[in-house]
Amino acid sequence: GENVEQHPSTLSVQEGDSAVIKCTYSDSASNYFPWYKQELGKGPQLIIDIRSNVGEKKDQRIAVTLNKTAKHFSLHITETQPEDSAVYFCAATYKSQGNLIFGKGTKLSVKP
Amino acid sequence: DAGVIQSPRHEVTEMGQEVTLRCKPISGHNSLFWYRQTMMRGLELLIYFNNNVPIDDSGMPEDRFSAKMPNASFSTLKIQPSEPRDSAVYFCASDRQGGNIQYFGAGTRLSVL
Repeated sequence: GENVEQHPSTLSVQEGDSAVIKCTYSDSASNYFPWYKQELGKGPQLIIDIRSNVGEKKDQRIAVTLNKTAKHFSLHITETQPEDSAVYFCAATYKSQGNLIFGKGTKLSVKP
Repeated sequence: DAGVIQSPRHEVTEMGQEVTLRCKPISGHNSLFWYRQTMMRGLELLIYFNNNVPIDDSGMPEDRFSAKMPNASFSTLKIQPSEPRDSAVYFCASDRQGGNIQYFGAGTRLSVL
């Protein structure tokens, strides 16, 4: 079955700097890769996703890149702000499968 | 839309007691997922349903755990008897079948003393 590895487990950056979180997956059949943000006391919320027919997707300050050959994908946050502080999860699945396989999460701290 | 609604938000119980967690998915969504989150193990899928039918319960840790979905708008996760190691935050999520975008509830924080 699918296995998703996520690094780093914690990340601390200064406000305004960029943050990068990386994930690798094992199942070459996976074709959908979402990223979730979990704020304290809340459930995870989807912030961006990418499907395997594209290599990069951007939404304002966040972007995701996908390298299917290497089976890894990354989340990039530019111009970080204190409100970006949260736990971020990557996940992978293939469309015929209902469940997402999540990484262990990255706790991002943005220091003002 | 009210989103996925879970109750209770917090549950404190004693070892050996029965615990029932409840979830109301988003209207129109026909897939429902139960997750458990702990510091040690992260976010674990326990079971998921499509059209009220359990599809994969391989993540259910033991026979003490059971889940039901009697209709499209309600699901329960029951632990009987509960143990201290069951202490965790339990999340319910729903999506449109095949849509892959899961919407999570706010979770139930369970403490078993």
